[in-house]
Amino acid sequence: NAGVTQTPKFQVLKTGQSMTLQCAQDMNHNSMYWYRQDPGMGLRLIYYSASEGTTDKGEVPNGYNVSRLNKREFSLRLESAAPSQTSVYFCASSEVTGDSYEQYFGPGTRLTVT
Amino acid sequence: AQSVTQLGSHVSVSEGALVLLRCNYSSSVPPYLFWYVQYPNQGLQLLLKYTSAATLVKGINGFEAEFKKSETSFHLTKPSAHMSDAAEYFCAVITNQAGTALIFGKGTTLSVSS
Repeated sequence: NAGVTQTPKFQVLKTGQSMTLQCAQDMNHNSMYWYRQDPGMGLRLIYYSASEGTTDKGEVPNGYNVSRLNKREFSLRLESAAPSQTSVYFCASSEVTGDSYEQYFGPGTRLTVT
Repeated sequence: AQSVTQLGSHVSVSEGALVLLRCNYSSSVPPYLFWYVQYPNQGLQLLLKYTSAATLVKGINGFEAEFKKSETSFHLTKPSAHMSDAAEYFCAVITNQAGTALIFGKGTTLSVSS
């Protein structure tokens, strides 16, 4: 049981380049999320997917797009990278069952845009 | 809308001393509250959660937190700090405006000296 996996772990891009961050979960969760973490800012929600086939914007969606490919996979795309997108990106998944809730996080992708 | 405020971006304690990390929340509905820990260059690990059951919640690694509705607080404590507790700690609340995504505080870095 791998939980939430993310690829790549590290990436360096030049301004204007594009890339896709991949995320997959094997816990059969309906909900998936992308967050970014910046020093002193905590984690902020970029996009989320409440279920397969749906996606919605979070707090900081500008410059990003997402695809919920199937129930397992949720990708984040930067079409034209900017230095302001230098950050650590975390994917997470969750399921609400009764009164139980827990969000599971992947190991993160450290992205630098020069 | 929900929010959390962590008081103190950096807390330093001696090994064996009490750890107290402060979190206050704002929520228009009964909140689900969480504490996560992040060790250097790693993802987030759930320490404990409050989901409207017992107000005193025990978590992993000897940590506990008490939900106080009258004070809108959910402070994290540990009676005796260990060197291995040095990490960044995040308080979070479920938002009801983005599926079941989390809103995070800005984090508190805990340093433990010998």
